[in-house]
Amino acid sequence: AQSVAQPEDQVNVAEGNPLTVKCTYSVSGNPYLFWYVQYPNRGLQFLLKYITGDNLVKGSYGFEAEFNKSQTSFHLKKPSALVSDSALYFCAVREVDRGRGSTLGRLYFGRGTQLTVWP
Amino acid sequence: DADVTQTPRNRITKTGKRIMLECSQTKGHDRMYWYRQDPGLGLRLIYYSFDVKDINKGEISDGYSVSRQAQAKFSLSLESAIPNQTALYFCATSDPTGSSDEQYFGPGTRLTVT
Repeated sequence: AQSVAQPEDQVNVAEGNPLTVKCTYSVSGNPYLFWYVQYPNRGLQFLLKYITGDNLVKGSYGFEAEFNKSQTSFHLKKPSALVSDSALYFCAVREVDRGRGSTLGRLYFGRGTQLTVWP
Repeated sequence: DADVTQTPRNRITKTGKRIMLECSQTKGHDRMYWYRQDPGLGLRLIYYSFDVKDINKGEISDGYSVSRQAQAKFSLSLESAIPNQTALYFCATSDPTGSSDEQYFGPGTRLTVT
């Protein structure tokens, strides 16, 4: 069965420092991996995705994520955090879609990690 | 994302009442989803629809029903609301013809059942 784990409920960093939000996944086939961000009173916004190719994926707002197949991880990173990065971050995984009606096109989300960047 | 809208944005209702949450999208996507978000639990899938004639239960469909009135509209109903259905509800869409089928979310409906 597919699943995603975000081992940290909260991550706190000082502005200007690098940040990492951790994610590990479990899937039987090849994974598609996603990071979403949720700002207060807003819906989820897509940040970045990994499908295939380069293990380091670059996304919106200066974020990047590193896919590590041997460790089944997809950690979100940013070299220099901003106060405005404070939000709730979700990792998600799904298997490659096998066509109409397949349940394998569904996304499975982690529980979320609250990132707080203080000035 | 203004391409996916949800109404109402906030709703307070009483136990036993029937309530409908509506979702509309202008992205032209075939796939639509309903999730609920609870603190510490992330997002859980209630129902999903791959097109107008294809509706499927998610992991927590009990107590909910859906209607896909058109490609652009996907409604979620609580036939008899109960307090543990108090949550934040999100609609999402995706396009399976894209390279990864990423999902686009509406702004959410905050539902309180008293």
